[in-house]
Amino acid sequence: DQQVKQNSPSLSVQEGRISILNCDYTNSMFDYFLWYKKYPAEGPTFLISISSIKDKNEDGRFTVFLNKSAKHLSLHIVPSQPGDSAVYFCAARDYGGSQGNLIFGKGTKLSVKP
Amino acid sequence: EAGVVQSPRYKIIEKKQPVAFWCNPISGHNTLYWYLQNLGQGPELLIRYENEEAVDDSQLPKDRFSAERLKGVDSTLKIQPAELGDSAVYLCASSLERTGGLPGELFFGEGSRLTVL
Repeated sequence: DQQVKQNSPSLSVQEGRISILNCDYTNSMFDYFLWYKKYPAEGPTFLISISSIKDKNEDGRFTVFLNKSAKHLSLHIVPSQPGDSAVYFCAARDYGGSQGNLIFGKGTKLSVKP
Repeated sequence: EAGVVQSPRYKIIEKKQPVAFWCNPISGHNTLYWYLQNLGQGPELLIRYENEEAVDDSQLPKDRFSAERLKGVDSTLKIQPAELGDSAVYLCASSLERTGGLPGELFFGEGSRLTVL
C-alpha cells in the first residue's frame, strides 16, 4: 500500500500562471514533508520542506501547504516558468519512528508552456 | 562543494551477469542511502547506512543484492546474478543527520541506469 500518493501523473500549465501539485499521505506518524524536483537523466534535487508543526512554508516562488487533518499537502509555484518543467516528487518522513526513512510518491510531471 | 558522485552512469549487461555500482557521498555526510527507481515510480529505499552500519536493509533482496560502506565513506551496491526485472535507475543519496535536530536534506547523485538484456 502506498503511504504517499500523488494522484496526478501529469499537469500542464501556462507560463506565468500558478501550478498546484497535490500529495496525500496515509501515515499519521509522518512529521516531515519534502518536495523534490527531477529533470531527465539527473537525480532528484531538494526543493522545499515543511515540518508537521507548521501549515505553510514559503521560499521565493514556491510555497508548500500542509493540512494535517486531511493528510494532504500541496506545492504552489507562482508564477510558473518553463524551467520549472520537471517531475516533482512528494516525500514524507516519520523521523520519530523506528527507521525515519523517506517515503516517496510516484511523482507528477509538470509541463509549463511558454 | 562536490555533490554525490555515482558510477557508472549507464550499464548494459546480460541476465545472470554480475554488476556493481559505486557511490561517493558528499564529504562529511554520515548517512548514505541506496534507492531504486523504476520507470514512472518514485525512489524506493534499498538500504540506509549511518556511518558504516547498515541500519535499514529490510527492502534489500538479499539473495542477489549486497552492499557495503567500508570506512563509512564510499559505498558499493552489487547485484549477482542480475535478472531482467532489475533494470532500473539506482540512486545514491547522502545526508548529514544530527541527533535531536531536524532531518537532514537528502542530496542525490545522478543515478546509475541499469539495463539487463
